[in-house]
Amino acid sequence: KQEVTQIPAALSVPEGENLVLNCSFTDSAIYNLQWFRQDPGKGLTSLLLIQSSQREQTSGRLNASLDKSSGRSTLYIAASQPGDSATYLCAVLGQTGANNLFFGTGTRLTVIP
Amino acid sequence: DAGVTQSPTHLIKTRGQQVTLRCSPISGHKSVSWYQQVLGQGPQFIFQYYEKEERGRGNFPDRFSARQFPNYSSELNVNALLLGDSALYLCASSPGTGDGETQYFGPGTRLLVL
Repeated sequence: KQEVTQIPAALSVPEGENLVLNCSFTDSAIYNLQWFRQDPGKGLTSLLLIQSSQREQTSGRLNASLDKSSGRSTLYIAASQPGDSATYLCAVLGQTGANNLFFGTGTRLTVIP
Repeated sequence: DAGVTQSPTHLIKTRGQQVTLRCSPISGHKSVSWYQQVLGQGPQFIFQYYEKEERGRGNFPDRFSARQFPNYSSELNVNALLLGDSALYLCASSPGTGDGETQYFGPGTRLLVL
């Protein structure tokens, strides 16, 4: 069974700092990997999706990488801002035929002004 | 264009009751998935429906059921509620045209079971 782990569970950084969030998964047979943002009590906002054949995706200050063979992904946030404060979730889509996303437990990020 | 909508936003029930949660996908999307997110955890897959047929089911008891209507909206039903069913229930839609599609999530329904 696919297991997704995110480290660290919580992170606090001063505004302007660059940071990296980590995600690891146990089964490399995936279709894709997605990074989501979740604000307290809210739904999920998709940030980046990396197909299994890709190595990285970029959107603005965000860059996500994927190393399928080692079962790892990182989300790099440049020049962090207080508005980036949220929980970041990593999810992988397995090759089972169903849209079954396996999620990690998230990293709670706080950016201090 | 409207995103995924869910109703109600909040719900309080007592143990043993039944609940129905509703989801309307993005216009043109034919696939709807349901997830349960317990506080402090990542979401867990419950069901996927595509063209009114169940396409996938997660590791949840038979008290959980769902259906999809001709307009692609969906309902999630939970019978004989337990305290442990308290969670944020998320609905996600995708076009349904291929594998590995991006899923778009709604704001969720927060269920509290007392």
